Amino acid sequence: QQQVKQSPQSLIVQKGGISIINCAYENTAFDYFPWYQQFPGKGPALLIAIRPDVSEKKEGRFTISFNKSAKQFSLHIMDSQPGDSATYFCAASGMFSGGSNYKLTFGKGTLLTVNP
Amino acid sequence: GAVVSQHPSRVICKSGTSVKIECRSLDFQATTMFWYRQFPKQSLMLMATSNEGSKATYEQGVEKDKFLINHASLTLSTLTVTSAHPEDSSFYICSARLLRGSTRGQYFGPGTRLTVL
Repeated sequence: QQQVKQSPQSLIVQKGGISIINCAYENTAFDYFPWYQQFPGKGPALLIAIRPDVSEKKEGRFTISFNKSAKQFSLHIMDSQPGDSATYFCAASGMFSGGSNYKLTFGKGTLLTVNP
Repeated sequence: GAVVSQHPSRVICKSGTSVKIECRSLDFQATTMFWYRQFPKQSLMLMATSNEGSKATYEQGVEKDKFLINHASLTLSTLTVTSAHPEDSSFYICSARLLRGSTRGQYFGPGTRLTVL
């Protein structure tokens, strides 16, 4: 199973609030979990990434929480701002048989709207 | 650092013509480049993986004769949509992975909007 399930599909948050997006995976061979931010008409931008040997990683207002036993990881955006309004994708990659290209498997995305 | 460019950003063509999209890593060398397509309000769908100097590996269901990929150097990959039809209209995005370093991150280009009339 190489699926990554992402929820919610859309999220509305007030300015200053916390945005939380969740992802779950099945394949324990995944060992790299990035989050991407995409604005309309633009390519995705790498926000933050984590490996399964740590449970949390923080970069500025963005935090990834990782639960290896539950095979879940989440993105927390603290003090959400209108400029954070975008689509967020979680992804996962790992070294599978057949090569080391580390293909990314993406979640379906979450449309975040931060109201002023 | 880790900037990826795509050209053109937008192209409109007639049905039956071929379109070439370039993907360049501007400030790093990329062992591997990936090509995705994205339909409105949907996730990215991997089309193929290309390694410099070797044939591209296509995902299941992607026609290799229709979507020709050439990875001529460590900084340039091209996607040619041959005999394009309206159903090929989509947002095409490339990404590149760094040659060295521990990062596994892929860095994405800004995308190319293809419209086939």
